[in-house]
Amino acid sequence: NAGVTQTPKFQVLKTGQSMTLQCAQDMNHEYMSWYRQDPGMGLRLIHYSVGAGITDQGEVPNGYNVSRSTTEDFPLRLLSAAPSQTSVYFCASRLLGANYGYTFGSGTRLTVV
Amino acid sequence: ELKVEQNPLFLSMQEGKNYTIYCNYSTTSDRLYWYRQDPGKSLESLFVLLSNGAVKQEGRLMASLDTKARLSTLHITAAVHDLSATYFCAVDFQGGNYQLIWGAGTKLIIKP
Repeated sequence: NAGVTQTPKFQVLKTGQSMTLQCAQDMNHEYMSWYRQDPGMGLRLIHYSVGAGITDQGEVPNGYNVSRSTTEDFPLRLLSAAPSQTSVYFCASRLLGANYGYTFGSGTRLTVV
Repeated sequence: ELKVEQNPLFLSMQEGKNYTIYCNYSTTSDRLYWYRQDPGKSLESLFVLLSNGAVKQEGRLMASLDTKARLSTLHITAAVHDLSATYFCAVDFQGGNYQLIWGAGTKLIIKP
């Protein structure tokens, strides 16, 4: 049971480049989400999904797109990278209605130069 | 405004001592979570608190929830070095469409 798998683990982008961060889970969780974590701050929600074909914006969605074509995958797209998007990105999932915590991926450390 | 505030944000303590981390939140919640994060690592779920008066314990850590005061505490008993980490609380607010709001984290350093 792999849990939540994020790729890549590290990435350096130039300003203006685009890329996709991958997130996959094999636990049949309906809910998936993307967070960014910046130094000295808690996690901030970028986008989330409660099922295939359903996505919604979180607290800081600007500059990011998501789609959810399958239950397993929830990719995060950076449209035109900016230095302000330098951060650590975490994907998390949960079974809706379950009384346990979210499962997190190992994170992607992104630097935009 | 949906807010979650933790204090202290930084705590340095000696092994063997007891201490408490506080988590205040601004409005009615469905669930309150405590997570642990080691440097450069992902987040590990510690506790999920669902109702007023809920208390959960795992080893030297005990979490409690007072929904009337909108307060959760994470109590550390007889701290050991291995508990050094950053601890986060996060809240699922009622009607929040599963949008977790996170505290800023408490960096805990336990000195041998």
